Amino acid sequence: AQSVTQLDSHVSVSEGTPVLLRCNYSSSYSPSLFWYVQHPNKGLQLLLKYTSAATLVKGINGFEAEFKKSETSFHLTKPSAHMSDAAEYFCVVSASSGGYNKLIFGAGTRLAVHP
Amino acid sequence: GAGVSQSPRYKVTKRGQDVALRCDPISGHVSLYWYRQALGQGPEFLTYFNYEAQQDKSGLPNDRFSAERPEGSISTLTIQRTEQRDSAMYRCASSLAGGNEQFFGPGTRLTVL
Repeated sequence: AQSVTQLDSHVSVSEGTPVLLRCNYSSSYSPSLFWYVQHPNKGLQLLLKYTSAATLVKGINGFEAEFKKSETSFHLTKPSAHMSDAAEYFCVVSASSGGYNKLIFGAGTRLAVHP
Repeated sequence: GAGVSQSPRYKVTKRGQDVALRCDPISGHVSLYWYRQALGQGPEFLTYFNYEAQQDKSGLPNDRFSAERPEGSISTLTIQRTEQRDSAMYRCASSLAGGNEQFFGPGTRLTVL
């Protein structure tokens, strides 16, 4: 069965410093992995996705994630945090079955960015 | 272009009442998903439609929950005899056939008093 574990429920960084949000996954086959972001009072927005192409995936707003099979990790990073990055971030694995994708979400990491 | 829309955005109801939550997917998206997100948690899968066919309802918690998509477009999630534990954000998502990327609506926040 597929699952994801987000290792930090809260992360706090200063504006301009690097961001690291950690995610480990469990999958019985080569997974499709995603990061979604949820800003207050808004819907979930896809940041980036990994689907067995390049292991380093670039997403929107300067975020990127690296798929490491040996570590079963898919950590999200950004070189320099901006105030607008404050939001909740979800690591997601897709449980593909019969031509559709049931998404399995982690519990989320709330990112705070302070001046 | 128009994204996924959901209505109402907020619903407050009394325990024991029935509620109907609506989802209008992106035009042309044949796949439609419902998820439920409890406070402080990630969304959890409820059910999946391929056109009008409900192909997976394994995530529906009990028989008070049902969903339909009669014409393969708009979908309704119905909760009968609501209970306080049903309070959550209900999210709808749509995608192209077999598509990896799901586009989410803003959600309906349901509060059962």
